[in-house]
Amino acid sequence: DAGVIQSPRHEVTEMGQEVTLRCKPISGHNSLFWYRQTMMRGLELLIYFNNNVPIDDSGMPEDRFSAKMPNASFSTLKIQPSEPRDSAVYFCASSFRDSKDTQYFGPGTRLTVL
Amino acid sequence: TQLLEQSPQFLSIQEGENLTVYCNSSSVFSSLQWYRQEPGEGPVLLVTVVTGGEVKKLKRLTFQFGDARKDSSLHITAAQTGDTGLYLCAGEQGGSEKLVFGKGTKLTVNP
Repeated sequence: DAGVIQSPRHEVTEMGQEVTLRCKPISGHNSLFWYRQTMMRGLELLIYFNNNVPIDDSGMPEDRFSAKMPNASFSTLKIQPSEPRDSAVYFCASSFRDSKDTQYFGPGTRLTVL
Repeated sequence: TQLLEQSPQFLSIQEGENLTVYCNSSSVFSSLQWYRQEPGEGPVLLVTVVTGGEVKKLKRLTFQFGDARKDSSLHITAAQTGDTGLYLCAGEQGGSEKLVFGKGTKLTVNP
């Protein structure tokens, strides 16, 4: 079975450009999570969806970040405009919500903003 | 302020040694999870503990949840080079699906 799929795996862009990260969750999962990982701050939850509806976006750093989930099999995280401090590895994870759900992580997108 | 503090931050040992890493908090969690992350990959769940005082074993790995459900430990017996990786603990509070992660312990097992 395919796991969580993320694209691109690596992205290098210049400050001010728009960046779009993509995620395909595991089929049948109804919760989707976007995380950011840096050396300084570790793994931080940015936003999560349940049944395609955003439930908690309190971790989104600022208005430059936005996330959408138009259907159960696709989600995007957009940064516009990007800044060097956005450089990090961005992970998408999915789960099937029950009392002790397991989150399955994708391989991540390594973003470098020059 | 980090909700979950992991220690040590870095650990380098020889193959065959035993080790323990810790995950501490002043907050109570309904469950606590341990993940292992290898370079270039996402974290992979090792275990979930939910009951205060609970001990779970996964081959050479022993996980313990504190009685007050505020802390946890991971003990590895006779470490192998394949145990090398970043070990993350993550806590869930209440009925939320949100996980709060510690910064991790980077373990290197040398041959």
